[in-house]
Amino acid sequence: EVQLVESGGGLVQPGGSLRLSCAASGFTFSSYAISWVRQAPGKGLEWVSGISGSGGDTYYADSVKGRFTISRDNSKNTLYLQMNSLRAEDTAVYYCAKHIIAIATRPDFFDYWGQGTLVTVSS
Amino acid sequence: DIQMTQSPSSLSASVGDRVTITCQASQGINNYLNWYQQKPGKAPNLLIYDASNLVTGVPPRFSGSGSDTDFTLTISSLQPEDIATYYCQQYESLPRYTFGQGTKLEIK
Repeated sequence: EVQLVESGGGLVQPGGSLRLSCAASGFTFSSYAISWVRQAPGKGLEWVSGISGSGGDTYYADSVKGRFTISRDNSKNTLYLQMNSLRAEDTAVYYCAKHIIAIATRPDFFDYWGQGTLVTVSS
Repeated sequence: DIQMTQSPSSLSASVGDRVTITCQASQGINNYLNWYQQKPGKAPNLLIYDASNLVTGVPPRFSGSGSDTDFTLTISSLQPEDIATYYCQQYESLPRYTFGQGTKLEIK
């Protein structure tokens, strides 16, 4: 059974940093791209960042480019999101979502999602 | 950037009704359009990929159609468990994945 479990969320002050983790199981982790998708309270879904199965290719939304860094440790079946210079508008539930296979190829969709971890940026 | 516009933003319907949700892209996206269902407090769940392909296990009352800029998600006979918010998502502009703003479906 595919499982994605996020952790690391919490309350952080504006300008602060936080690192999210996503522990994966039930599939060959290194074979699949994974993305982070966030959802602000009461709002819609926003793709944040994605990484290829090998970790060699990374992609970011303009809203987080230069502040967030996605990475993965395939030996630990874990995905990360390092978030720096956090702003109030980064407040959201952050989901990790598995791609059907690769990123930036077709077809492409998110076939499994974690339960999400809440990040609150506030003073 | 490609913008995705869903309508309506919210919808109230009765059990057994036929429900239609539309999604319009700001430019042509071929059939690179997916639909997700999100129930309150839960993560999204894929329903349909590439505009019209039903995911295994999704009830056949759900269907998708369209291409280029105009797409439709249809529920042929609304059931109480279909109460959720529905999102379309394009992947024409890889690796940018854009979602619509969502359609909240309620039971009348």
